[in-house]
Amino acid sequence: DQQVKQNSPSLSVQEGRISILNCDYTNSMFDYFLWYKKYPAEGPTFLISISSIKDKNEDGRFTVFLNKSAKHLSLHIVPSQPGDSAVYFCAASDSQTGANNLFFGTGTRLTVIP
Amino acid sequence: KAGVTQTPRYLIKTRGQQVTLSCSPISGHRSVSWYQQTPGQGLQFLFEYFSETQRNKGNFPGRFSGRQFSNSRSEMNVSTLELGDSALYLCASSVATRQGDEQFFGPGTRLTVL
Repeated sequence: DQQVKQNSPSLSVQEGRISILNCDYTNSMFDYFLWYKKYPAEGPTFLISISSIKDKNEDGRFTVFLNKSAKHLSLHIVPSQPGDSAVYFCAASDSQTGANNLFFGTGTRLTVIP
Repeated sequence: KAGVTQTPRYLIKTRGQQVTLSCSPISGHRSVSWYQQTPGQGLQFLFEYFSETQRNKGNFPGRFSGRQFSNSRSEMNVSTLELGDSALYLCASSVATRQGDEQFFGPGTRLTVL
């Protein structure tokens, strides 16, 4: 049973525009959320995270929004660059059962068109 | 600082065989987690080791086991291989389990079971 879902397997965006990647979760015990980026033949690379006590966290071009009532989070990339083209995974954890036990979504492949 | 290394990078085995994968964490990291990535299921948590002890375990059969050595290096073993075990196996290391401690992923071992 997939507790973290990314319903869009792919997304294409023009360079310079905003990329919005979405993620939904079902487990209300999740209290920490992360986004990872993955290039082919490499392991996932951490991008940005957010604790459940916040609803927004920003780091440069990347902003993560958390809507706890909707059990939804999103990653905004502004402006999008061709180098952002990769597969993006959202992940969640429950600090009570194990902060390093990450539940991942199935990923969204982002293509930024020059 | 060297990243997480995994050996071998590629492996081909036949059904019924067993396999051992190795992970060397970043120096100073004491937590090592293992994940299985398949096209249909995405990344799924296998187990986490901290100070040579299994601290957390995902929902995988007992054919999947692991251990951690005193230098924090970890091995993962899969016995009686099945076709469905074909996947990318990723290991990730972090300093500790405090939330906010980023997990750093290795490049993975691609296991093919024939």
